[in-house]
Amino acid sequence: DSGVTQTPKHLITATGQRVTLRCSPRSGDLSVYWYQQSLDQGLQFLIQYYNGEERAKGNILERFSAQQFPDLHSELNLSSLELGDSALYFCASSAGTGNLYGYTFGSGTRLTVV
Amino acid sequence: DQQVKQNSPSLSVQEGRISILNCDYTNSMFDYFLWYKKYPAEGPTFLISISSIKDKNEDGRFTVFLNKSAKHLSLHIVPSQPGDSAVYFCAASVGGGADGLTFGKGTHLIIQP
Repeated sequence: DSGVTQTPKHLITATGQRVTLRCSPRSGDLSVYWYQQSLDQGLQFLIQYYNGEERAKGNILERFSAQQFPDLHSELNLSSLELGDSALYFCASSAGTGNLYGYTFGSGTRLTVV
Repeated sequence: DQQVKQNSPSLSVQEGRISILNCDYTNSMFDYFLWYKKYPAEGPTFLISISSIKDKNEDGRFTVFLNKSAKHLSLHIVPSQPGDSAVYFCAASVGGGADGLTFGKGTHLIIQP
C-alpha cells in the first residue's frame, strides 16, 4: 500500500457521460498530481494542485477539471466522455511542489468508455 | 512530439545477468531524470533518480548513467532477479518537476529463470 488511495478502481460508463475520480494523498503530502495513461502510452501529466491551489497544468482537456479540497483529497472530473478517454488515471502525491525524490502514485482508476 | 523515448518495448534477460534499459530525450531543458517501476494493477514506484549535474547514481543493484551530450540515460540492474520483472518508465523534469514529469512509454523487462 503506497498510502495514496484512488477510488473507484474500475469505472465503465457510456459516451457523453460525466464521471468523478477521487484521490486521497499520502498523509502529510500537500501536492496532488493527476496523470493519464492511454493504451501503449506513457503517463501524460494532466494537472497539479498544491494545498488547495492549482499549481501547474499539462495536457488536460477543457472537458476535464480538477480540484483539491481543504482536507487535501482531490477529484478529477471528466465530462462529455469520448471513447478515446478510456485510460488508466493515476494520482500521485508529494510533500512539496517538486519531485526531487519522486512522488508516490496510487494504483489508478481504470476508466472504460463504451 | 515525444520528448522522452524508450525505444525497446520489451527486454528479456536471464536471471543473474545484467539488465540495461535505455532512454533518450530531446528537450535540453530537462535537468532531472527518474526511473519508475510498475507491476500490473499497481501504480508506478519510484526507483532511482539522477540530476543533470551528475553522470552516475548508484543505489544497491541499480545504477543510472546519464550522457548529456548524447541526451541518453540508461538503467543498469545487476544482478537481475525474478522480482525485477516489471515495466520500467523513464521520466524527466525541468526545474524540480513542479510542472509534472514527462514519461516515456515504458520497457517491459522479463527476467528468465
